[in-house]
Parts: sequence; C-alpha cells; structure tokens
Amino acid sequence: NAGVTQTPKFRVLKTGQSMTLLCAQDMNHEYMYWYRQDPGMGLRLIHYSVGEGTTAKGEVPDGYNVSRLKKQNFLLGLESAAPSQTSVYFCASSSPLRTVYLHEQFFGPGTRLTVL
Amino acid sequence: GQSLEQPSEVTAVEGAIVQINCTYQTSGFYGLSWYQQHDGGAPTFLSYNALDGLEETGRFSSFLSRSDSYGYLLLQELQMKDSASYFCAVRDSDPAGTALIFGKGTTLSVSS
Repeated sequence: NAGVTQTPKFRVLKTGQSMTLLCAQDMNHEYMYWYRQDPGMGLRLIHYSVGEGTTAKGEVPDGYNVSRLKKQNFLLGLESAAPSQTSVYFCASSSPLRTVYLHEQFFGPGTRLTVL
Repeated sequence: GQSLEQPSEVTAVEGAIVQINCTYQTSGFYGLSWYQQHDGGAPTFLSYNALDGLEETGRFSSFLSRSDSYGYLLLQELQMKDSASYFCAVRDSDPAGTALIFGKGTTLSVSS
C-alpha cells in the first residue's frame, strides 16, 4: 500500500516549457487535491477533484490545468511555465465516508519544481 | 473569504509544554484540523475538532472554541522530534465542502 505517490520528485524547467505532474493514490479515495507551498505562505489549493471526470478551481488556479481521467490519478499541467511557479507541489487525497476524513487528507512526498 | 492566523515561530525546550494558537475567519464553519510537516516533507494529519472542547491524542491535544473562532494545539513532554511546522486548517465553503484552507504554519523548534 503505497498511499499517495508523486512523479517526478524534482524538476527544473525553463520559462515557457510545459510539463505534467502525476499524482497516484491506491486508497480508493474519491477526492484529490493539488497544493503549492511557498516559503511563508503555507499550503495553497490550486485545483481539486471530487470524483473521476470532475475538477474545480481552488485558491490559486491561474497558469495550471488538471485532469482526473481515472479515479486513482490526478494530473497537474503547466502549459507555459513561469518563474513564479517555482514551488513545491503537493498532491493529497481524502475520503468522504466520515466527516473527519474530509479533514484527514493524505499527502504525497511533493515535487520540487524550479522554473528558470 | 476565509483566513487563519497562527504565530510564525515558537521555541521550547525538551520536556516542556507548548501551545500553538490559531484564530480563523470563515463564512461557514465545518471544523478545525491540525497538520504536522517535517523538513518540507509530506504534511500529516494530527487532529480534528468539530465541537468545542479538548481532544486528546497521546502527547498532543487540540482545543476549539467556536464562539471565539479560536483553537490551539497543545504539545506536552516535548521531544526533539517534535521540531516541525504545524498548520491549522478549516474546510472551505466550496459547494462540495471538501477542500481545506491552511494557515501559514508555525515553525516549532525544540532544543535540549
């Protein structure tokens, strides 16, 4: 049981390049989330999904797109990377079965992205 | 909008007790939770309060006062391994009510 995994772990991009971050979970969770974490800013929600085929915008969605084609996977895309997108990206998942589970999110190890 | 305020840094010594406060402003309230993060690694869930009062889980306790829009995380018998960042979080008021809004985090440094 791997929990939540993210690939890649590290990436360096040049401005204008594109890339996709992959998140996978094996806990059969309905809900999945993408956050970014910057120094002194805490965790900020980019996009989230409440089920296969559905996505919604979070607090800081500009410059990102997401897809949830399979229940276990949640992809985050950067179409044209900018230096402001240098950050650590965390994926998380949760289950709606109990109220506490909506608060208990399981996080992946993160992807450290640098945009030059 | 929703916002959470917590101190940026707290220091303490091994064996001591430390309290990390969190005040929040929300359009609707669905509970307050706490997360721990070591050295930029994956945040991990610590506790959740939906009702007023104290919830205890081993050395960690979490308290909530809904009338004061205030909560705190209490760490007892501090150990060096408790040095980490701690985040409070509330559920967002989005239609599905599934997303969390996090505070900016409190860095706890435990010294010997």
